[in-house]
Amino acid sequence: GAVVSQHPSWVICKSGTSVKIECRSLDFQATTMFWYRQFPKQSLMLMATSNEGSKATYEQGVEKDKFLINHASLTLSTLTVTSAHPEDSSFYICSARGAFLAGAADTQYFGPGTRLTVL
Amino acid sequence: GQQVMQIPQYQHVQEGEDFTTYCNSSTTLSNIQWYKQRPGGHPVFLIQLVKSGEVKKQKRLTFQFGEAKKNSSLHITATQTTDVGTYFCAGRNQGGKLIFGQGTELSVKP
Repeated sequence: GAVVSQHPSWVICKSGTSVKIECRSLDFQATTMFWYRQFPKQSLMLMATSNEGSKATYEQGVEKDKFLINHASLTLSTLTVTSAHPEDSSFYICSARGAFLAGAADTQYFGPGTRLTVL
Repeated sequence: GQQVMQIPQYQHVQEGEDFTTYCNSSTTLSNIQWYKQRPGGHPVFLIQLVKSGEVKKQKRLTFQFGEAKKNSSLHITATQTTDVGTYFCAGRNQGGKLIFGQGTELSVKP
């Protein structure tokens, strides 16, 4: 149980285009979803936290108009990178925390990540 | 801002040797979690420690949470090639935010 999927797993796009990444909790309801960015050989940096039905909370230094997050349902959150530039190339990972899971209530389950390359 | 420092950054061991990674927080944590990320993969949850001084074991892995709830360690006994990956600690602060350490990349020479 507690599976989180992400789509796409990788994407290559031209500079200036927008890219949407989907994060789904497959077998549980995710009350909270988190979006992280990870550069090569570096740690995970939290970008934003989203709760179903409300606006996302962005970390300091993360542009909310550039990284649009929508958490429209308890099983789906999307991250849209608008007007992507080469410096946005990174590994984007979502994680989900849900209620009523058999495991630790505090556990975050991570998706497989999306590798974005902006040319 | 609050930081979770993790050392060492890299560790190369011979198969069969032990391995330890350490995490230290600048503030008291409500809990600490450990994750393993294989090369090219995503973080996989290993364990969560909540109580002061808590020690948990998973086969050859021993996790410890300090008395002050500001530091933690992961010790692997007799490493195997399957242990290769990056181990991250992540501390949850009093405000509920999960802050990741920089990770320790473990390589095991057969």
